[in-house]
Amino acid sequence: KAGVTQTPRYLIKTRGQQVTLSCSPISGHRSVSWYQQTPGQGLQFLFEYFSETQRNKGNFPGRFSGRQFSNSRSEMNVSTLELGDSALYLCASSRSGDSSYNEQFFGPGTRLTVL
Amino acid sequence: GEDVEQSLFLSVREGDSSVINCTYTDSSSTYLYWYKQEPGAGLQLLTYIFSNMDMKQDQRLTVLLNKKDKHLSLRIADTQTGDSAIYFCAEKAGGSYIPTFGRGTSLIVHP
Repeated sequence: KAGVTQTPRYLIKTRGQQVTLSCSPISGHRSVSWYQQTPGQGLQFLFEYFSETQRNKGNFPGRFSGRQFSNSRSEMNVSTLELGDSALYLCASSRSGDSSYNEQFFGPGTRLTVL
Repeated sequence: GEDVEQSLFLSVREGDSSVINCTYTDSSSTYLYWYKQEPGAGLQLLTYIFSNMDMKQDQRLTVLLNKKDKHLSLRIADTQTGDSAIYFCAEKAGGSYIPTFGRGTSLIVHP
């Protein structure tokens, strides 16, 4: 079974631009979560989608948005990029996304550099 | 809010045991996880423990949980250079969908 895939793996943008990152979860998984990883802040939760609905949201500004499609694939968008948005963006999928033990499977991430 | 704390670095000699510690604040934590992140990769679940357990062993890995002190540890026996990675502790309350992660401990294994 294929794992979580994220595209692109690397991205370089300039301040003020926008970017869209894509995540394909493991087949059959309906929950997709996004995280931002930086050396200074560690792993921070952005948002989680389940059945095309945003179910949970972290403390990020409105420049960060996402969506999930009917096939569970998800995209996240960052508008008006800032230097501080440079990070590794990780996507994780889980089967049901319920509140019991529910293993998350992570993709390799997209490394975004903002110049 | 919930908080998960870990030391940032640990250096050990190959063949020794490594112990990575983690403390958390949420007393309703039900699930506690250890993830491993190798360079250039995402996080991989290593092991987990339920809050009603105090120990779990899985080959070279031993997880100890002191629920009273909200302290979790991961012991890696006979540490190898391939164990060099960042190790994340995470906790999740029973009614929560999203785990809270620590900032990760970089384990460096030297010959």
